[in-house]
Amino acid sequence: KQEVTQIPAALSVPEGENLVLNCSFTDSAIYNLQWFRQDPGKGLTSLLLIQSSQREQTSGRLNASLDKSSGRSTLYIAASQPGDSATYLCAVRGGMKTSYDKVIFGPGTSLSVIP
Amino acid sequence: KAGVTQTPRYLIKTRGQQVTLSCSPISGHRSVSWYQQTPGQGLQFLFEYFSETQRNKGNFPGRFSGRQFSNSRSEMNVSTLELGDSALYLCASMSGGNNSPLHFGNGTRLTVT
Repeated sequence: KQEVTQIPAALSVPEGENLVLNCSFTDSAIYNLQWFRQDPGKGLTSLLLIQSSQREQTSGRLNASLDKSSGRSTLYIAASQPGDSATYLCAVRGGMKTSYDKVIFGPGTSLSVIP
Repeated sequence: KAGVTQTPRYLIKTRGQQVTLSCSPISGHRSVSWYQQTPGQGLQFLFEYFSETQRNKGNFPGRFSGRQFSNSRSEMNVSTLELGDSALYLCASMSGGNNSPLHFGNGTRLTVT
């Protein structure tokens, strides 16, 4: 059964700092991994999707990497801003014993960027 | 392009009642999936529909059901509501391919009293 964990559960950094969020999954036979941010009381906003054949994806100040063999992904945020404060979730689609249609979410990392 | 639209935004129901939530996907998206989000359990997959057929189902009791219409709009229904059904219900749409990203709506906040 695919399980997804995220470390740390919460993170507080001063504005301008670069930071890394971690996501781990137990079954490496995935189709893709997607990073989202969620603001309080709102839905999820898609940030980056990495296909299983890719190693990384970049969008602006965000860079996501994927190491399927070790079951890990990282989300790198450069020059953090107070507007980056949100909960960041990773989601994995598929797995050896999981239907490719199923998406499993991690518990999220709550990020606070202090001005 | 309009995003995923969920209605209503908020609902308050009492135990034993039933509720129907609605989701309109992004135009052209044929897959709609539903998720329940609670502080204790996080985001959990309910079910996914593609071209009016349920393609996959999570581990929820039969009180949770859904359907998809020919225009890809989807509804989910929860019968005999329990206090533990209080949650944010999120709908996501996808264009259809394995490697398409999910796009979420803002959710429906259901409170059961």
